[in-house]
Amino acid sequence: GAGVSQSPSNKVTEKGKDVELRCDPISGHTALYWYRQSLGQGLEFLIYFQGNSAPDKSGLPSDRFSAERTGGSVSTLTIQRTQQEDSAVYLCASSQGGAANTEAFFGQGTRLTVV
Amino acid sequence: GQQVMQIPQYQHVQEGEDFTTYCNSSTTLSNIQWYKQRPGGHPVFLIQLVKSGEVKKQKRLTFQFGEAKKNSSLHITATQTTDVGTYFCAGWATGGFKTIFGAGTRLFVKA
Repeated sequence: GAGVSQSPSNKVTEKGKDVELRCDPISGHTALYWYRQSLGQGLEFLIYFQGNSAPDKSGLPSDRFSAERTGGSVSTLTIQRTQQEDSAVYLCASSQGGAANTEAFFGQGTRLTVV
Repeated sequence: GQQVMQIPQYQHVQEGEDFTTYCNSSTTLSNIQWYKQRPGGHPVFLIQLVKSGEVKKQKRLTFQFGEAKKNSSLHITATQTTDVGTYFCAGWATGGFKTIFGAGTRLFVKA
């Protein structure tokens, strides 16, 4: 596609339910990042994919969070047993490769609200 | 692990005043990138610096990369209300394997 696509754009879920957030990166981009951004705050790194593997998942806040990437393209971030503190905007970014000097392109984000 | 620190966290300025945000890395960087996020939007790439001591300008914005390639700054001259947003630096550590983003500086401009 022309840009990084994330779905859904908004998600309201009840506490305790599981949610899946999807990221469709720019075609050919091998690097994919997930970030979380609370209202008015900075970017909190969650996980980094290079191809289908995740060399850095150090930012996942708990074992309720998991992510996968298949076919070196689409990635899914899953949050199990959601809590109110999970409410935030989840941003996905992709870049051309696992090297410096490559610009990151961000999606519009998924706004997750846990009620 | 590598960290990229950014200060200040917030800055309130009067329109027409200058603004600077600073970025510091715990390790030497191969490059430094700057992004801007408008309120309600997503971060958008502004520029990249790769050389020691490099300075680049985009209209009223001046970007610098330190001689030791461990720090960078973004300076805005005579801010305008359109400059409002959060400015992020992002660096790739020499020998590293991914881009690290700073926490961002949120700029408020009062007309």
